[in-house]
Amino acid sequence: KAGVTQTPRYLIKTRGQQVTLSCSPISGHRSVSWYQQTPGQGLQFLFEYFSETQRNKGNFPGRFSGRQFSNSRSEMNVSTLELGDSALYLCASSLYQNEQFFGPGTRLTVL
Amino acid sequence: GQQVMQIPQYQHVQEGEDFTTYCNSSTTLSNIQWYKQRPGGHPVFLIQLVKSGEVKKQKRLTFQFGEAKKNSSLHITATQTTDVGTYFCAGRVNAGKSTFGDGTTLTVKP
Repeated sequence: KAGVTQTPRYLIKTRGQQVTLSCSPISGHRSVSWYQQTPGQGLQFLFEYFSETQRNKGNFPGRFSGRQFSNSRSEMNVSTLELGDSALYLCASSLYQNEQFFGPGTRLTVL
Repeated sequence: GQQVMQIPQYQHVQEGEDFTTYCNSSTTLSNIQWYKQRPGGHPVFLIQLVKSGEVKKQKRLTFQFGEAKKNSSLHITATQTTDVGTYFCAGRVNAGKSTFGDGTTLTVKP
């Protein structure tokens, strides 16, 4: 069974731009969560989707948004990028809020 | 909001020594999960604890969930260089979000 895939793996953007990251969960998994990982802040929860519905949301500004499609694939979007948005963005899938399987992440650099 | 504190932040041990990381939640948890992240890698699930006072073992790793379901620990006996990485706990309350601790980074000197 294929693991969680995330695209792109690396991104370089400039301040003010917007970015869309994609996550394909493990086949059969309907829950997808997104996390931001930075050296100083650890793993910060962004949002969780289950069957196309956002079930939980973290404490991030409205510039961060996400969605989940009927095939469980998920995207997150960050608008008006700031330098502080530079981070590793991790996607995790699970059957239903049990063990989470993480993808390799998307490394975003904002210049 | 819910907070999960994890200590210590760093631990340096000699190969063969034991290692323990502790996790404390500000609220009673429904379950707690432990993950390991190798340098340059992504978090990998180790175990989930659900019951009060639960103890689970995986070879040299022992996981405990406190009686009040507000704290947990991971103990590694006789560390090996393959144990190097950052260990995270993640607590969840009911169907709420999963809150991760800041992790404990373990280095092992051969």
